[in-house]
Amino acid sequence: IAGITQAPTSQILAAGRRMTLRCTQDMRHNAMYWYRQDLGLGLRLIHYSNTAGTTGKGEVPDGYSVSRANTDDFPLTLASAVPSQTSVYFCASSDGKGSPLHFGNGTRLTVT
Amino acid sequence: GENVEQHPSTLSVQEGDSAVIKCTYSDSASNYFPWYKQELGKGPQLIIDIRSNVGEKKDQRIAVTLNKTAKHFSLHITETQPEDSAVYFCAATFTGNQFYFGTGTSLTVIP
Repeated sequence: IAGITQAPTSQILAAGRRMTLRCTQDMRHNAMYWYRQDLGLGLRLIHYSNTAGTTGKGEVPDGYSVSRANTDDFPLTLASAVPSQTSVYFCASSDGKGSPLHFGNGTRLTVT
Repeated sequence: GENVEQHPSTLSVQEGDSAVIKCTYSDSASNYFPWYKQELGKGPQLIIDIRSNVGEKKDQRIAVTLNKTAKHFSLHITETQPEDSAVYFCAATFTGNQFYFGTGTSLTVIP
């Protein structure tokens, strides 16, 4: 079934540790995104990539980095996790401007 | 940047009644407005969308209306059913293909 695969499903991480959240899509979409979802704050954009080889910052990029080496993969890295990064992280993709987002099922991250 | 406000944050309706969720946006250049439904433990799923050149769109029990002058758009669900219970998000596109989301509405349909 075509779509977005995120891994891991959930993770408990000690503060200060490095963590990479994985995201892979098989729809050949050009654009990919990372959002975090927190209660009462909705979905906030962390980083995005309009096409392979390019990335951009969203609303809340601090403490996160991304790379887009190819069309299918868009990993999100927390270099040194902090408790405020406890959240549910969603990866999404889009076929282009004016096209809807397709979401993965999320990674629930707890930083202790 | 774009600001999207969504109301109400929670909504309870009796099965069979209608539900309405409203959103406002700040950027008059926004031109695409999708609505997403999120069930527990899953990612948001697109349920309906509307573009700025259209005032209303329907898909069975779901409809969306857009008022560009007032910069607001609304989701209407008629004949609600228990399986409609979920969190609903509105969104608006801003520069390029960046989506900005409302803070969500938790809808409960009471059998």
